[in-house]
Amino acid sequence: QSALTQPASVSGSPGQSITISCTGTSSDIGTYNYVSWYQQLPGKAPKLTIYDVSERPSGVSNRFSGSKSGITASLTISGLQAEDEADYYCSSYTTGSTWVFGGGTKLTVL
Amino acid sequence: QVQLQESGPGLVKPSETLSLTCGVSGQSISSGYYWGWIRQPPGKGLEWLGNVHQSGKTYYTTSLNSRLTISIDASKTHFSLNLKSVTAADSAIYYCARLKLANSGRPEAFDIWGLGTMVTVSS
Repeated sequence: QSALTQPASVSGSPGQSITISCTGTSSDIGTYNYVSWYQQLPGKAPKLTIYDVSERPSGVSNRFSGSKSGITASLTISGLQAEDEADYYCSSYTTGSTWVFGGGTKLTVL
Repeated sequence: QVQLQESGPGLVKPSETLSLTCGVSGQSISSGYYWGWIRQPPGKGLEWLGNVHQSGKTYYTTSLNSRLTISIDASKTHFSLNLKSVTAADSAIYYCARLKLANSGRPEAFDIWGLGTMVTVSS
């Protein structure tokens, strides 16, 4: 169960769009559509932001969207706002009914 | 409104067993869901530890080398984590979480999280 690969950091200016990638293997992202994304504000618990690759839970802004191609999933945040500054983690269901997280990406809003 | 609350000692000695519980309110544990534990060492990323189903069936990360046991209490009001032979590397914030279910009944994402509890392993 190797961790999914995410960039350590991304940044963008208010109003811009950013994309965070999450690369796995054929044992996780490449096979299953149970890819989720979590936003973690400083000192807080993670919050589910995207599930099933591209579904948004109730209450999550439609500025957040997800996609997948092959073994790579992506989270896009459009119309970047200062409140979006946080750590973002991807996660995937894997073979053997286990789960794996990415290493996390720190989003800085310039 | 479903809420989860972790509880347990904040300090554990090396080689001892770390025991945490996750209290579940607003929903019965016996409602078909899966329940999980995730940890986060200070300044680092999230690590999935394991899940337990209401039936008692468990799934664990292979990285903990059989040191981990997750179970549902007979009262069905909370579930627990026991990690044996801890070292400083086990120091982390430990979160419990609920896995939401797809229409197929397969768990699809961790949708409700506890606030987390910091555990330090030190003599």
